[in-house]
Amino acid sequence: NAGVMQNPRHLVRRRGQEARLRCSPMKGHSHVYWYRQLPEEGLKFMVYLQKENIIDESGMPKERFSAEFPKEGPSILRIQQVVRGDSAAYFCASSSANRKAFFGQGTRLTVV
Amino acid sequence: QQQVKQSPQSLIVQKGGISIINCAYENTAFDYFPWYQQFPGKGPALLIAIRPDVSEKKEGRFTISFNKSAKQFSLHIMDSQPGDSATYFCADTGGFKTIFGAGTRLFVKA
Repeated sequence: NAGVMQNPRHLVRRRGQEARLRCSPMKGHSHVYWYRQLPEEGLKFMVYLQKENIIDESGMPKERFSAEFPKEGPSILRIQQVVRGDSAAYFCASSSANRKAFFGQGTRLTVV
Repeated sequence: QQQVKQSPQSLIVQKGGISIINCAYENTAFDYFPWYQQFPGKGPALLIAIRPDVSEKKEGRFTISFNKSAKQFSLHIMDSQPGDSATYFCADTGGFKTIFGAGTRLFVKA
């Protein structure tokens, strides 16, 4: 029984490129959360999705960031035209209706 | 905007001592209160959680105490070990989203 799977684990992008981060939730989980963590800092909520719906995106930057959780396939966090300030660890968590969330190992994005 | 205030920011404890981390929440519509443990380079892992209808839960060396009237809950690590050195996050799951405290970096000295 695999846990929350995130890929890639490490991603390097040049400024202006696009970054796509994938998250496959645990089996049976239909709720997905994305968080960003800067070095030496806590977890900052970005977006909460259920299958095919964005429930709360209040933590998402207004521009360049988007997220989806299609009916089939993983959840995708997409960052367009990356800048150095986007360098961080991005964590995905999934839960069932009881909201006990389990995290993936994260994707560490480095923008050069 | 729901908030979770966690203290202290960092904590140094001698091996065998008791580590205590506190969390204050605002939201009253809660389902449960979890603590997560994160090692460097890893994702947070659910450590222990408590439902609001109980005042204490113990799992091994880890205990959560819940004070509903004060809107606080705390994590106690008994007989702290160097392997417990990590960052600990409390969370409020009462709203649509789970909001985390800023984290407490625990270092247990051998």
